[in-house]
Order: sequence, then C-alpha cells, then structure tokens
Amino acid sequence: GAGVSQTPSNKVTEKGKYVELRCDPISGHTALYWYRQSLGQGPEFLIYFQGTGAADDSGLPNDRFFAVRPEGSVSTLKIQRTERGDSAVYLCASSLGTSGGPDYTQYFGPGTRLTVL
Amino acid sequence: GEDVEQSLFLSVREGDSSVINCTYTDSSSTYLYWYKQEPGAGLQLLTYIFSNMDMKQDQRLTVLLNKKDKHLSLRIADTQTGDSAIYFCAETGRSNDYKLSFGAGTTVTVRA
Repeated sequence: GAGVSQTPSNKVTEKGKYVELRCDPISGHTALYWYRQSLGQGPEFLIYFQGTGAADDSGLPNDRFFAVRPEGSVSTLKIQRTERGDSAVYLCASSLGTSGGPDYTQYFGPGTRLTVL
Repeated sequence: GEDVEQSLFLSVREGDSSVINCTYTDSSSTYLYWYKQEPGAGLQLLTYIFSNMDMKQDQRLTVLLNKKDKHLSLRIADTQTGDSAIYFCAETGRSNDYKLSFGAGTTVTVRA
C-alpha cells in the first residue's frame, strides 16, 4: 500500500478485556516496529520484528502484551486483561531494513487510540 | 541509557524562523531524526542527520548538530501556519540502531 495502515483507528474497551491491534506495513518492508505514545509524551519502543521473528521485545511492559507477525507482513499487537494504564496511542512503523539512515527510515502509521474504561 | 530532552512549547509569528532545540545523552548515537506530528496523525519524518555531520539543509529546514554538547536543533525558515504541530527529536544508539528514542515533543504554534 501507499503507507503504513493501522486498524482500528480507535478502540474503547473495558478493564479486563482482550484487544487486538493490527498493522499493515508498507509493501516490501522487512522490519516492523510497535511503539506506544502516552498523552503528552513521545513514542516509546515496544517491539521490533525482522521478518517473522521478534528480534527485540524488550520494550513490552509485561507478559500481558504480545505481538505476532506470522507471514512477515501484517502484525497484530495483542493485549490481555487490559488495564486503565494501557490507554495510549499505539503506533506501528516499518522500514526496508534495520539500520539507521535514509534507506532504513521508519515510516509510521496513524496509530490506534486505545481507551480502557 | 538514552534520554532525549526538548522544550515543550514554542510560539512563533508567521514568516519568522522557528528554532527547536533538543539535547540527548547517548554519545554513541549514530543517527538523529526530526519527526512532525499533526493532530490525529502519525509521525512524519522531516529530516535526519548522521552523527559525523555538523549541519544539514533541506529546503526550509536546517539541522545543526553539536556532538560535543550533545545538542541538536531544527530551524524552520519562513514559518507557515501549516508548520503548527508537535516536533519530536529522536536518536538511535550504536548498539541497537533500529530503536528510536524520542523526546517528549515541542508543540509549535504559528500565529498570524
């Protein structure tokens, strides 16, 4: 596609529920990233995929958070037993590769705004 | 660990230059980036600079890097109302150059 897309754009859920957030990266991009942006803050790294595998999941806050990318394209971020503190904008990005610089720029999607009541 | 600091707000008159400042702590940073975020939108890459450069110019944007002081700035010439947004400074470290560390963002308001 033309850019990174994320669905849904908004998600409202109740405390304790399970949610899935989807990311469609730019076609041909091998690397995919998830970030979380709380109100008034910059994005914080959650996890990075190279192909199908999670190469670095050190940013996931706890074991309620999990992400997959089974075919090396679309990724799903899954949150179990949601808490009010999980409310944030979840941003997805993709890049051609995984090194800094112009050929590996991270392109961001519009984000999913998650609200946990 | 990495830490990126930015001033939170900047108000500028239309047509003037804007200067947004950023400091970082990771001396091994390889690339430093400026992203723009408009309301309800994702992050748009504006420009980047490699750590062995002092300056980079791209149309109305000028990036200055003082590696000794770990200080990065973004100058926007002839600021327009469409430049009103939140601007984020971000760095990648040498040990994990895929992981962007962002500042909290500077909200730029352009007044007529």
